[in-house]
Amino acid sequence: EVQVLESGGNLVQPGGSLRLSCAASGFTFRDHAMSWVRQAPGKGLEWVLGISGSGGSIYYGDSVKGRFTISRDNSKNMVYLQMNSLSADDTATYYCAKEVRGTAGFGFQTWGQGTMVTVSS
Amino acid sequence: QSVLTQPPSASGTPGQRVTISCSGSTSNIGSNAVSWYQQLPGTAPKLLIYYDNQRPSGVPDRFSGSKSGTSASLAITGLQSEDEADYYCAAWDDSLNANWVFGGGTKLTVL
Repeated sequence: EVQVLESGGNLVQPGGSLRLSCAASGFTFRDHAMSWVRQAPGKGLEWVLGISGSGGSIYYGDSVKGRFTISRDNSKNMVYLQMNSLSADDTATYYCAKEVRGTAGFGFQTWGQGTMVTVSS
Repeated sequence: QSVLTQPPSASGTPGQRVTISCSGSTSNIGSNAVSWYQQLPGTAPKLLIYYDNQRPSGVPDRFSGSKSGTSASLAITGLQSEDEADYYCAAWDDSLNANWVFGGGTKLTVL
């Protein structure tokens, strides 16, 4: 069964940092781009950033450029989201999503159940 | 303000046909594939349509997608109560900062 499973969500103070992890299974991991998509409470979906299957291309959403980074370890079938300089606007459920192809832009085929990040003092 | 524009709400009665529109521009819908997602209350989004009109296995053929120019549509025929959910369109955007863009979402109510 194809699965992606996020972990690492937590309560963090403004200005703090957090790293989310996403464990993938059931498919050839390196053949698929991966993205992080977030959803603030009661709001719509917002794409955060993505990485190609090889890890050679990284794509950033405007709202997180310079603060968030994405990486992947194809030997461990893992994707990571490093979040720095967090603010209340970053409070959201963060979803890890497997894309249809190895390059970004064709659809989010599989989603995790999400992990909640709350930024508050 | 979402890059892709969807109506905030739609409704229909059981058995009816409902369409949800998604309007964009030449840098996103006009030049890239559109995908659609269904989000049931309290759950993660689920892929309904990709490559404009392709259904993943397991998605009923009551759901169909189409695209013309810089607009796309999701049609649901034979509406059922379990279709009550939020629906989102998405497309890759080739403008200055290549990235994914989403519509603001449409809340579908089955009356």
